[in-house]
Amino acid sequence: GNSVTQMEGPVTLSEEAFLTINCTYTATGYPSLFWYVQYPGEGLQLLLKATKADDKGSNKGFEATYRKETTSFHLEKGSVQVSDSAVYFCALSTTSGTYKYIFGTGTRLKVLA
Amino acid sequence: DTEVTQTPKHLVMGMTNKKSLKCEQHMGHRAMYWYKQKAKKPPELMFVYSYEKLSINESVPSRFSPECPNSSLLNLHLHALQPEDSALYLCASSQILNPASDAFFGQGTRLTVV
Repeated sequence: GNSVTQMEGPVTLSEEAFLTINCTYTATGYPSLFWYVQYPGEGLQLLLKATKADDKGSNKGFEATYRKETTSFHLEKGSVQVSDSAVYFCALSTTSGTYKYIFGTGTRLKVLA
Repeated sequence: DTEVTQTPKHLVMGMTNKKSLKCEQHMGHRAMYWYKQKAKKPPELMFVYSYEKLSINESVPSRFSPECPNSSLLNLHLHALQPEDSALYLCASSQILNPASDAFFGQGTRLTVV
């Protein structure tokens, strides 16, 4: 079946540190891949996406590359800020006809000043 | 306008009450979704509407009843809920039901069943 696996958190970093949050997926067909961010008490915001292999999504200094050979979509940022503290969800959108969004379990990021 | 608006933001209801959650978008999106999110868990899909027709029901109990009266509105009618139904209910919309379509989420309704 389709699934998304994320690294367990919480991840605690100092301001200006490099961030990597790992995400791997299992899917039939060619899914689209997304990263969503959820700030405390709020809904989800789309951070970036990639719709085919080798595509790189980027937004607000965050990047992720769709790697079909390793079935991965790791999130990276070169220099995190305190305001990046949130929960990050990796997700895929299936192509099997039902077009569901399937989310990983989320990774909580805490950035310290 | 790239917003999905959900009302109310918070709701406390008894197990015998009937209440409704409302979701509205004016982006011309034709696919709308209800998700349920428990604390520290990912969102779980409940229902999907495409062009105002129910497309997916993820085996949700009948005490949850969705309704899509027009292309901008999505309701979730609640009746005889249980305390374990307490969660954040998220509405989302996308341009169409397509794997590459971005889903825009509302802020959610935090529901407490007492």
